[in-house]
Amino acid sequence: QQPVQSPQAVILREGEDAVINCSSSKALYSVHWYRQKHGEAPVFLMILLKGGEQKGHDKISASFNEKKQQSSLYLTASQLSYSGTYFCGTEIRAGSYQLTFGKGTKLSVIP
Amino acid sequence: DAGVIQSPRHEVTEMGQEVTLRCKPISGHNSLFWYRQTMMRGLELLIYFNNNVPIDDSGMPEDRFSAKMPNASFSTLKIQPSEPRDSAVYFCASRKLAGGYNEQFFGPGTRLTVL
Repeated sequence: QQPVQSPQAVILREGEDAVINCSSSKALYSVHWYRQKHGEAPVFLMILLKGGEQKGHDKISASFNEKKQQSSLYLTASQLSYSGTYFCGTEIRAGSYQLTFGKGTKLSVIP
Repeated sequence: DAGVIQSPRHEVTEMGQEVTLRCKPISGHNSLFWYRQTMMRGLELLIYFNNNVPIDDSGMPEDRFSAKMPNASFSTLKIQPSEPRDSAVYFCASRKLAGGYNEQFFGPGTRLTVL
């Protein structure tokens, strides 16, 4: 089951903050966040594991609410380089590394 | 490191032709994934291998699709015969199985157009 991301698109001015949400209808073991720029491959940002462990980016943070089966990605003081499409990938079976990706959130940061 | 290498980067073919996409994972990575990306369906996992063994191919859309990993440094995704609805960007990704949870590294993708 594909996770649902919201919003689908957002436009920010440099320096503004944004939150991207990822919701699943199934219990999650981990959530993986990637960013993809136009015409390029997805690039890893962050992994959040059931139990609270988090690995990732020093300028972007995220949370994982296991009970609500949701994750949120927080981008603060956005920079032009943050522009791209953000995907969450969800893993429902521990250790499978089988990810189901949402359809993405397109973030545009303007001067 | 060279990163994940995919070839060709672009492929244009006619309906009914056989298409073979190639992937070389990062050296030392022993888990490999094939994804397909379209506007309508997003990024879909087709199949993945651990230590060259296919673990789950439930994402492969039809029997026209097949994937192999004959050794740790090479994998192919074949479509035979190809159809216009197969047009998409196909990504290969790899990761290390050991060392706890870590990220998948994506290749640059192959943009396939079937006319």
